[in-house]
Amino acid sequence: AQSVTQLGSHVSVSEGALVLLRCNYSSSVPPYLFWYVQYPNQGLQLLLKYTTGATLVKGINGFEAEFKKSETSFHLTKPSAHMSDAAEYFCAVNAGGTSYGKLTFGQGTILTVHP
Amino acid sequence: GAGVSQSPRYKVAKRGQDVALRCDPISGHVSLFWYQQALGQGPEFLTYFQNEAQLDKSGLPSDRFFAERPEGSVSTLKIQRTQQEDSAVYLCASSGQIYNEQFFGPGTRLTVL
Repeated sequence: AQSVTQLGSHVSVSEGALVLLRCNYSSSVPPYLFWYVQYPNQGLQLLLKYTTGATLVKGINGFEAEFKKSETSFHLTKPSAHMSDAAEYFCAVNAGGTSYGKLTFGQGTILTVHP
Repeated sequence: GAGVSQSPRYKVAKRGQDVALRCDPISGHVSLFWYQQALGQGPEFLTYFQNEAQLDKSGLPSDRFFAERPEGSVSTLKIQRTQQEDSAVYLCASSGQIYNEQFFGPGTRLTVL
């Protein structure tokens, strides 16, 4: 079975500051890892994903994440926060195998950006 | 092109009523997933279709929940005799290939009074 833990249900940063959202996963098989963003009253939008290959993954809107197998982590970062980044962010794992690709999500982290 | 659409966007039901939630996936997408997102929580898997076949329904919380995709495109999630704990946002997602990126619809917010 797989699980995802997002450390910090709320993160607050100033505009222009570094964004760091933490995600740790548990999986019995090599995982596929995802970060999704959710704006109010909208569905989930994919920011980036790791499947195989390069462990540093770049996504949309200047976000990136690094897969660290030894730490079972997949933290999301952005060098400089923008007001439009304010949203809820979800980390998810797809453990492959017979799971058909179903995703297990973390509890989410609400990002607030102050001017 | 069109993304995943869901209807209705909002549904209010009295306890004990039956509801039906519709999902229109991206045309040609083989895989279709339903997730339930309770307030303040991450989405949780309900069920999975590959074309018209329901291959995984392990996440359905009770036998009051039923899903179908008879022609391998549109899917309906039906909840019978709704209860207050069924209040949540129901998200549908589709994918062109197994294990590939899932594209999510805007969700249906169900409120059971």
